[in-house]
Amino acid sequence: GQQVMQIPQYQHVQEGEDFTTYCNSSTTLSNIQWYKQRPGGHPVFLIQLVKSGEVKKQKRLTFQFGEAKKNSSLHITATQTTDVGTYFCAGQPSFGAGTTVTVRA
Amino acid sequence: SAVISQKPSRDICQRGTSLTIQCQVDSQVTMMFWYRQQPGQSLTLIATANQGSEATYESGFVIDKFPISRPNLTFSTLTVSNMSPEDSSIYLCSVETSGAYEQYFGPGTRLTVT
Repeated sequence: GQQVMQIPQYQHVQEGEDFTTYCNSSTTLSNIQWYKQRPGGHPVFLIQLVKSGEVKKQKRLTFQFGEAKKNSSLHITATQTTDVGTYFCAGQPSFGAGTTVTVRA
Repeated sequence: SAVISQKPSRDICQRGTSLTIQCQVDSQVTMMFWYRQQPGQSLTLIATANQGSEATYESGFVIDKFPISRPNLTFSTLTVSNMSPEDSSIYLCSVETSGAYEQYFGPGTRLTVT
């Protein structure tokens, strides 16, 4: 069945630095979604990518869908303490393992 | 988007008993889902709750253990039956807005089985 792999599992970032989390699927995806879950909270929808090579931005967050529609990335610039949480990619119905982000002030 | 509520928010249950979790949405939605999330882990889809028909279960989940009801387009229940400590987890319902794949999650039910 379809599996979505996500790396890294943990990301410890100095405040102000950039980082990227990657999502890879064993099969071609029709679309991919990204969610953020704050500690103690529930997943919150961030964005959906549908087209091959699509790039979308939300302020300091840049989301990209690979040309083959089998991988995706989330890049965060100038990390802030508000970015703390776990970021999941999802290729329905599978969710990746998530990247848990901690920020050093 | 959609506003989703779940009851109860948390519960501590005895082994061998059953718990029914309710999920209420503020608007009519076609797709409703039930997930399980162990602390610090990812989300695992249990089943899709279909209105007017039986739920569709993912591999490893069966109706006898996790019966689901979906009486209308705004409400669903998940029952965790004959509970064991391995069922301790957070159970989340989510909805998919019509025409899109984005999901909106309820606040979750934290279940502890002793």
